[in-house]
Amino acid sequence: GESVGLHLPTLSVQEGDNSIINCAYSNSASDYFIWYKQESGKGPQFIIDIRSNMDKRQGQRVTVLLNKTVKHLSLQIAATQPGDSAVYFCAENMNTDKLIFGTGTRLQVFP
Amino acid sequence: EAGVTQFPSHSVIEKGQTVTLRCDPISGHDNLYWYRRVMGKEIKFLLHFVKESKQDESGMPNNRFLAERTGGTYSTLKVQPAELEDSGVYFCASSQGPTDTQYFGPGTRLTVL
Repeated sequence: GESVGLHLPTLSVQEGDNSIINCAYSNSASDYFIWYKQESGKGPQFIIDIRSNMDKRQGQRVTVLLNKTVKHLSLQIAATQPGDSAVYFCAENMNTDKLIFGTGTRLQVFP
Repeated sequence: EAGVTQFPSHSVIEKGQTVTLRCDPISGHDNLYWYRRVMGKEIKFLLHFVKESKQDESGMPNNRFLAERTGGTYSTLKVQPAELEDSGVYFCASSQGPTDTQYFGPGTRLTVL
């Protein structure tokens, strides 16, 4: 896959457990944050986003937490399933057009 | 509704050759972006179109890369001549507004030998 050669941190979780994926962002001026999921051979798929005026946002089985004080973003996945196995990227945007991506975290779900 | 599509999915060329990648954005999305990930690196922004105009091309690595979006619909990214370091995956994304959610295509894997 396209992540060959890309040494990613890996999170291994058991099916049914909760997963927490962390991301440190770089710019205190960033005001929009997005989590993307990328499966092998596919492009980044939007999961959930959050604006800087919020500190928590929930979706279906996913929650994003934003801590602006320490410039930290996390993605929580409840009841992790095998289909959640993928590489997860956080991205930040400073009210401009370009997204700045993190290096990604590989989530492996085992039975 | 169809998502962002890209063609080809894979391209293998020799150093010095030319390759043209194509992106079809989501219908109605005026904003179109190109990104790429070269091996071992993060996904990096290349450029942004608003309709047919280049809004921001600050991420284009050098003048061997030429992006066009004639008519404001699909876009092409040409690499001429290709170099070994151009190998990677090229993603296209589109959005309604410039700060709205960007939806990505599946990418084109480019291998330069």
